[in-house]
Amino acid sequence: GAVVSQHPSRVICKSGTSVKIECRSLDFQATTMFWYRQFPKQSLMLMATSNEGSKATYEQGVEKDKFLINHASLTLSTLTVTSAHPEDSSFYICSAISGGADTEAFFGQGTRLTVV
Amino acid sequence: QKEVEQDPGPLSVPEGAIVSLNCTYSNSAFQYFMWYRQYSRKGPELLMYTYSSGNKEDGRFTAQVDKSSKYISLFIRDSQPSDSATYLCAMSASGGGSNYKLTFGKGTLLTVNP
Repeated sequence: GAVVSQHPSRVICKSGTSVKIECRSLDFQATTMFWYRQFPKQSLMLMATSNEGSKATYEQGVEKDKFLINHASLTLSTLTVTSAHPEDSSFYICSAISGGADTEAFFGQGTRLTVV
Repeated sequence: QKEVEQDPGPLSVPEGAIVSLNCTYSNSAFQYFMWYRQYSRKGPELLMYTYSSGNKEDGRFTAQVDKSSKYISLFIRDSQPSDSATYLCAMSASGGGSNYKLTFGKGTLLTVNP
C-alpha cells in the first residue's frame, strides 16, 4: 500500500509554545488529508479535513485558530498546535487519500504530543 | 449514544482460536465499513473494506455487515501471535473524496498467546 510519513513521532513541549506536525504522502499525490486526534482510551476523532490549496474544514468543537492546518502541496500537510496547553496532549494522526470513489485512506504513524 | 460502539476489551485468546470482534452503530447513513489493525505506536492499517451489507473474506479474515441490525463483525480464523494488536472498526457515509470522513470505534485490544 501507499506510504504516509508523519513527523515527529513524539514531541514534548512547554506550555505556551507551538508545535508543528508534518504529514507527507511519499508515493502518491494526496488530494485530501485528514487530521485525527486520539485521547487515551478514546476513539480516533476527526479534527479537520484539508484539500490541497484550500482552507481546511474543521469539525465542530475544534478551534481553527489553535490548530492551524496548511496543505500547500499534494504531498504535504502540516498541523500546528499553537500555544499548546497540557490538555492538548494527545496522539495526533493524519491520513491521506488520492481522490476518487472507493478509495483507501492511508495513515501516518502518528505523533504523541506531550505538553508540560 | 455514541455513533460507533466497540468493546475495548482486552481480549486474550490462545493461538489457533477463532476471534470475533464487533461494532454497533447508530447512523443509518453509513455505507462503507472498515476494519483497521493498529500495532503499538503505529498508524492504523486497513484490513478489510466492505460496502453495504454482506460478507467479505480475505485469507483468515472475514468481515460481516448487517445494516438492518447496524452491526458489523470481524472474524479471525486460526489466530496467530502476530495478530496481537488493536482492531478498530471505522465507518463512512461516503466512499471517497473530501467527504470520506471516518468515524471510529474505540478499538479492541487483542492478544493471541502462543
